[in-house]
Amino acid sequence: AQTVTQSQPEMSVQEAETVTLSCTYDTSESDYYLFWYKQPPSRQMILVIRQEAYKQQNATENRFSVNFQKAAKSFSLKISDSQLGDAAMYFCAYTGANSKLTFGKGITLSVRP
Amino acid sequence: GAVVSQHPSRVICKSGTSVKIECRSLDFQATTMFWYRQFPKQSLMLMATSNEGSKATYEQGVEKDKFLINHASLTLSTLTVTSAHPEDSSFYICSATTRTSGVSDTQYFGPGTRLTVL
Repeated sequence: AQTVTQSQPEMSVQEAETVTLSCTYDTSESDYYLFWYKQPPSRQMILVIRQEAYKQQNATENRFSVNFQKAAKSFSLKISDSQLGDAAMYFCAYTGANSKLTFGKGITLSVRP
Repeated sequence: GAVVSQHPSRVICKSGTSVKIECRSLDFQATTMFWYRQFPKQSLMLMATSNEGSKATYEQGVEKDKFLINHASLTLSTLTVTSAHPEDSSFYICSATTRTSGVSDTQYFGPGTRLTVL
């Protein structure tokens, strides 16, 4: 079975600074996707970024980028120039052949003005 | 694109009654829809997977007779909580994907439904 681990329950970052959220996963599959989802206080799950396992290049979306280390099974999210609107719960997630999403426990990110 | 709606956003009902929650993919055809339950400050727990035109597949520990799922079309899935009790109070979220073969692509989420059973 696949597992996703987010070991840090909370993090805080100063506005305009950079923060990295950690995620590790375990799988025996060779073909899969990894995601970061954001859940603000409204509780709407918002896709932040996704990474296909077969792509070596790290995905980027504006201020958001990932460091995908396939051999180490690591998938961290970097948020640059943090904004107050980035404050939310962030979930790392995995999907493979069975199409189900496996989520980590999530991390609560607060942004200090 | 890839918008998923959910209705209602909030519902309060009396114990013993049934509640239906709708999940719609507005601008794409969803071959697969998922239903999750989320407790405060916790991760999402998958309840069931539904494919259009076939019976839903429930996760272990989820009562299929209590949580009825219907996926009648490529844009609509419904979750009915039957004979609701206070312990069913929770936040229910649906998602949809357009998987056709191989590894599934992105799941897009609805805004969720907060169910309170009195």
